[in-house]
Amino acid sequence: SQQGEEDPQALSIQEGENATMNCSYKTSINNLQWYRQNSGRGLVHLILIRSNEREKHSGRLRVTLDTSKKSSSLLITASRAADTASYFCATELFAGGTSYGKLTFGQGTILTVHP
Amino acid sequence: GAGVSQTPSNKVTEKGKYVELRCDPISGHTALYWYRQSLGQGPEFLIYFQGTGAADDSGLPNDRFFAVRPEGSVSTLKIQRTERGDSAVYLCASSLSGNSYEQYFGPGTRLTVT
Repeated sequence: SQQGEEDPQALSIQEGENATMNCSYKTSINNLQWYRQNSGRGLVHLILIRSNEREKHSGRLRVTLDTSKKSSSLLITASRAADTASYFCATELFAGGTSYGKLTFGQGTILTVHP
Repeated sequence: GAGVSQTPSNKVTEKGKYVELRCDPISGHTALYWYRQSLGQGPEFLIYFQGTGAADDSGLPNDRFFAVRPEGSVSTLKIQRTERGDSAVYLCASSLSGNSYEQYFGPGTRLTVT
């Protein structure tokens, strides 16, 4: 079953604009990770944010995590055509004092950046 | 350095046949994961190895699916009596250790059951 849900399912923007994708989940997590996937390079890890963190940056990427709302967002600033891909959030569950290592992915957001 | 590799990249088999999919993780990574991805969906967890042992096989859909990692490095996912519903991209990932480490994914094996 899919724990995470990304919103929107598809996003189309112009180069230079910012892109924001959201992810909601249902159960307690140890961390949340964002991945990018395109046909040429498979799944690429972008950023990991732990449950006790609220915001993380990596280059043009900014991720926020709100554990009270069970939601996360990924912001890509100054987008480029090369950012065109599917973006997935994935959660590592935490239950009974144990984190499980395995990731539960959402269905993804398809981002298209037009030159 | 070398990433996660998977072979074959594509596999076409007939319904009822047996297939083996191989994963070579990043050297030194003790944790290895198998996922399955259907078209338009996110990857779905199958099994997780820590070292040689399967720490969590709760995602295997039924007893036709089995995976091994005998020496704590290379892993093989085995599917018996394949069905058309098994058609998907099978992804392998490795991480430095289980829990709270980013996972590095291989390019996947596209399995088509005709």
